[in-house]
Amino acid sequence: DAGITQSPRHKVTETGTPVTLRCHQTENHRYMYWYRQDPGHGLRLIHYSYGVKDTDKGEVSDGYSVSRSKTEDFLLTLESATSSQTSVYFCAISERAQGRIYGYTFGSGTRLTVV
Amino acid sequence: GQQLNQSPQSMFIQEGEDVSMNCTSSSIFNTWLWYKQDPGEGPVLLIALYKAGELTSNGRLTAQFGITRKDSFLNISASIPSDVGIYFCAGQPVDSNYQLIWGAGTKLIIKP
Repeated sequence: DAGITQSPRHKVTETGTPVTLRCHQTENHRYMYWYRQDPGHGLRLIHYSYGVKDTDKGEVSDGYSVSRSKTEDFLLTLESATSSQTSVYFCAISERAQGRIYGYTFGSGTRLTVV
Repeated sequence: GQQLNQSPQSMFIQEGEDVSMNCTSSSIFNTWLWYKQDPGEGPVLLIALYKAGELTSNGRLTAQFGITRKDSFLNISASIPSDVGIYFCAGQPVDSNYQLIWGAGTKLIIKP
């Protein structure tokens, strides 16, 4: 979807190195999310943002941090990558109206391999 | 974390068959979403449901928001090879402003 882009699409990094993944949206949606997807675990929420500089932890946040300095950008950082963080990472965006979520859209993903 | 109970986990289909899958929860939701994911891509929204009892179609796909607000169903009629992929349901709990709960996915596979 052209409204949300992730970069890079693929990355191989060494254990112990910091890694930053970027999510960029052009939809002006308030909410942004980072998920990881692993075989047998489905989609698991890492962190989410409900506005500029407003972020909170998801269910698998250990070892990850996020930042959102602009509405359009949401960064996910692995401070010191470990092999257990090898995964496919998805960014998503959404809006809310009358108490209901709409426009929940995913990026194409970043495949991260930690060696 | 909390997950929806999505079934079946996988199913083998032959071209032309109708397909049904469902998601259930112990809590009440006010939104149900159905996604399809192709290999190497992110999930793509198929159908969004916002009212109990709502029945919505998107081509050969039909989804329903259960009357109890604790379940949802997705049907695919006359399946074709490009229907192969993983289908996910997601629900918005009534006490959540922006969080979704996800099913584990139903994998559709074409019978050889």
